[in-house]
Amino acid sequence: EAEVAQSPRYKITEKSQAVAFWCDPISGHATLYWYRQILGQGPELLVQFQDESVVDDSQLPKDRFSAERLKGVDSTLKIQPAELGDSAMYLCASSSKFQMPGNTEAFFGQGTRLTVV
Amino acid sequence: RKEVEQDPGPFNVPEGATVAFNCTYSNSASQSFFWYRQDCRKEPKLLMSVYSSGNEDGRFTAQLNRASQYISLLIRDSKLSDSATYLCVVNGPNDMRFGAGTRLTVKP
Repeated sequence: EAEVAQSPRYKITEKSQAVAFWCDPISGHATLYWYRQILGQGPELLVQFQDESVVDDSQLPKDRFSAERLKGVDSTLKIQPAELGDSAMYLCASSSKFQMPGNTEAFFGQGTRLTVV
Repeated sequence: RKEVEQDPGPFNVPEGATVAFNCTYSNSASQSFFWYRQDCRKEPKLLMSVYSSGNEDGRFTAQLNRASQYISLLIRDSKLSDSATYLCVVNGPNDMRFGAGTRLTVKP
């Protein structure tokens, strides 16, 4: 069964350092999402791509976060500099259709658990 | 006001009980709706889609009320393995938003 791949699974970094997460969506999925989930809360959308274009990054803290999907396939999310409050699970998801009601189920990777110390 | 709101829970029920969760959404242009299940420290996984006519999958029934902008999930004959967090997901024209989740614990 096709899966969304994320790496690393776990990351511990010191505050003020740079950190990067990678996501490889299911082959053929045009839509890619990055979510942040703080323990006990629901996933919060950070950025959404349609192919290589950003569709929504309104909740992305752009002073320290950046995301790219240069070839419309895999994607990287970067934080620089990391802050203590960035400790969370970072989830990547992909779906095959966009703006197609009833056919926009998203599949999630296992996530990257970030701890900033 | 949050775009997607859920019953905060937690819900603690005995095995065999029936439990219902509600979720409301603010964007009337929302197009599709889902319930996801998330186990502790795992990624969310699709439980079921929610259709306007309502749909059932075994012990699970999902319903959508577009006029009132809410969706519901009913679990009958709860099992210990149903213990998880249930996330309401709403697809708008350009995004996919999650509720905060409702935690369910089914006890023997």
